[in-house]
Amino acid sequence: GIQVEQSPPDLILQEGANSTLRCNFSDSVNNLQWFHQNPWGQLINLFYIPSGTKQNGRLSATTVATERYSLLYISSSQTTDSGVYFCAARDTGRRALTFGSGTRLQVQP
Amino acid sequence: EAGVAQSPRYKIIEKRQSVAFWCNPISGHATLYWYQQILGQGPKLLIQFQNNGVVDDSQLPKDRFSAERLKGVDSTLKIQPAKLEDSAVYLCASSLISRSGSYNEQFFGPGTRLTVL
Repeated sequence: GIQVEQSPPDLILQEGANSTLRCNFSDSVNNLQWFHQNPWGQLINLFYIPSGTKQNGRLSATTVATERYSLLYISSSQTTDSGVYFCAARDTGRRALTFGSGTRLQVQP
Repeated sequence: EAGVAQSPRYKIIEKRQSVAFWCNPISGHATLYWYQQILGQGPKLLIQFQNNGVVDDSQLPKDRFSAERLKGVDSTLKIQPAKLEDSAVYLCASSLISRSGSYNEQFFGPGTRLTVL
């Protein structure tokens, strides 16, 4: 099945800094999602982005399907951005999502 | 629009006991998924339903885990008997199916945190 790798595994930022999280996947995808898992364990949908670029406030994401990667940009980070960010992809042969191992983000005041 | 509902939120049991989790997907979502998330890892699929039929249960440990979605809406996941390594968060998700038959964005419930002692 598809392999999903995320980098970096851990990231510590000062409040106000910008960051880029990367997600590489091993096969063609027809679904790619970014999630934020808050300290209570809830997976919050950030982007549904099998290709192209989307923006939502301070967050934006780009997926380059032909090169098999996706990027999540966080600008002007806030302490509430802390948590684990997951990338998940679905290849054309499978119906469920395969998750990466996540990027643990800590934003310090 | 109400999200995916799960209960209970927390459960503590002893090994060899049985436990059941309940999920109510977003209204109108034909596809329902159960994922297991072990601490420090990403969620992994256990079973996927489309309406009341099983689409994929290749990763479900069938000697101890079972799941059903009898009326194509709510679903129950059961573990019997539980082992220590079953300690994890169990997440339910749902999605629409488009007219072309493709699967759309998945939405997750709050999860059930299971501790097996």
